[in-house]
Amino acid sequence: DIVLTQSPGTLSLSPGGRATLSCRASQSVSCCLGWYQQKPGQAPRLLMYDTDVRAPGTPPRFSGSGSGTDFTLTISSLEPEDSGFYYCQQGIHWPSFGQGTKVEIK
Amino acid sequence: EVQLAESGGGLIHPGGSLSLSCAASGFTVSSNYINWVRQTPEKGLEWISIMYPSGDIYTAASLRGRFTISRDQSQNTFYLHITSLRSDDTAVYYCAVSGRPNRGDHWGRGVQLTVSS
Repeated sequence: DIVLTQSPGTLSLSPGGRATLSCRASQSVSCCLGWYQQKPGQAPRLLMYDTDVRAPGTPPRFSGSGSGTDFTLTISSLEPEDSGFYYCQQGIHWPSFGQGTKVEIK
Repeated sequence: EVQLAESGGGLIHPGGSLSLSCAASGFTVSSNYINWVRQTPEKGLEWISIMYPSGDIYTAASLRGRFTISRDQSQNTFYLHITSLRSDDTAVYYCAVSGRPNRGDHWGRGVQLTVSS
């Protein structure tokens, strides 16, 4: 099974700040890496797929990059509503998720 | 608008069985990839099973034999049947649908299943 490791565990930033979330895979996942946002009591919401493609409704301040085993989700200018947990997910083999990064907006 | 609504959770004794339902609207279940995913504080998000539009089914290796996904085209609903329930099956169960395998484009709100005596 492919293990995804996310860092950091928690990110505390101010509104307008730039957030950089990392996801490292135990083996290459090629293009098939996505990102989800989850708020307390809600289901995950697909933000990005195929590394750098925004899902419908994802604001342009979200961007994805990477290849092989190292991927990044960047939020260019944080809004208060961006607080929550962010999970990476690979779909090249049996789907698996990272353990999540908590984003706090101070 | 795509909407998914899970039902069927609750408190179940170890060894029991149950079926979770996911009622879909805004799309046709049989034309999309349908999925079940669960979440616990300890293990995080875990993909359980996928049914392709063709009817092909794939289930996580560790869960095969106890978890069965199915769909009812006439009801536009899909299901997850779980047998021999264990305490570590306690989780929030989500149904999800996508236009491609191994991805969750739209999710239900989730249903809590607690396995305890």
